[in-house]
Amino acid sequence: DGGITQSPKYLFRKEGQNVTLSCEQNLNHDAMYWYRQDPGQGLRLIYYSQIVNDFQKGDIAEGYSVSREKKESFPLTVTSAQKNPTAFYLCASREEGRGPQHFGDGTRLSIL
Amino acid sequence: DQQVKQNSPSLSVQEGRISILNCDYTNSMFDYFLWYKKYPAEGPTFLISISSIKDKNEDGRFTVFLNKSAKHLSLHIVPSQPGDSAVYFCAASGSWGGATNKLIFGTGTLLAVQP
Repeated sequence: DGGITQSPKYLFRKEGQNVTLSCEQNLNHDAMYWYRQDPGQGLRLIYYSQIVNDFQKGDIAEGYSVSREKKESFPLTVTSAQKNPTAFYLCASREEGRGPQHFGDGTRLSIL
Repeated sequence: DQQVKQNSPSLSVQEGRISILNCDYTNSMFDYFLWYKKYPAEGPTFLISISSIKDKNEDGRFTVFLNKSAKHLSLHIVPSQPGDSAVYFCAASGSWGGATNKLIFGTGTLLAVQP
């Protein structure tokens, strides 16, 4: 089945730790995105990548980093600089053009 | 600055009736609008979209209406079913600068369809 796989589904982080959230897609989509959802809020864009080896900051990139070494993979690292990392993180991808973005099932990150 | 607004946090309707979810936007450069449905602990699922050259798009029980002069769009679900109970997000994008298809999301409306 084609789709977007995010892992793990739940992740716990200690204060001062970096953690990496995985996002893999087998849809052959060029563009990939990372969003954050907080309670009562819409999705906010963290980073996006329209092509391999290239990515741009979204609206709330501080405290996060990404890489795009392969077309199918777009991991997100939540660094210790992110002061409020507890949230639901969603990865999305889109084929070329103006079609809709398709989402994975998310990773819920909590601080211990 | 909330560019996409869903002013109703929740909506309750009876099974079989029409559900109308509303969304307002402020940026006149938006030219592509989408509706997503989201269940708890899952990612959003794309429902339907509309481009600014149209004022209506229909797909089965779902119809999206766009009123550009009012900067308003709505999603109609007819007839509503209990399985439609979820959070609905509207989103908008525009082809400006280099950020093509960057989506701006509303805060969502929780729809509850009562059997």
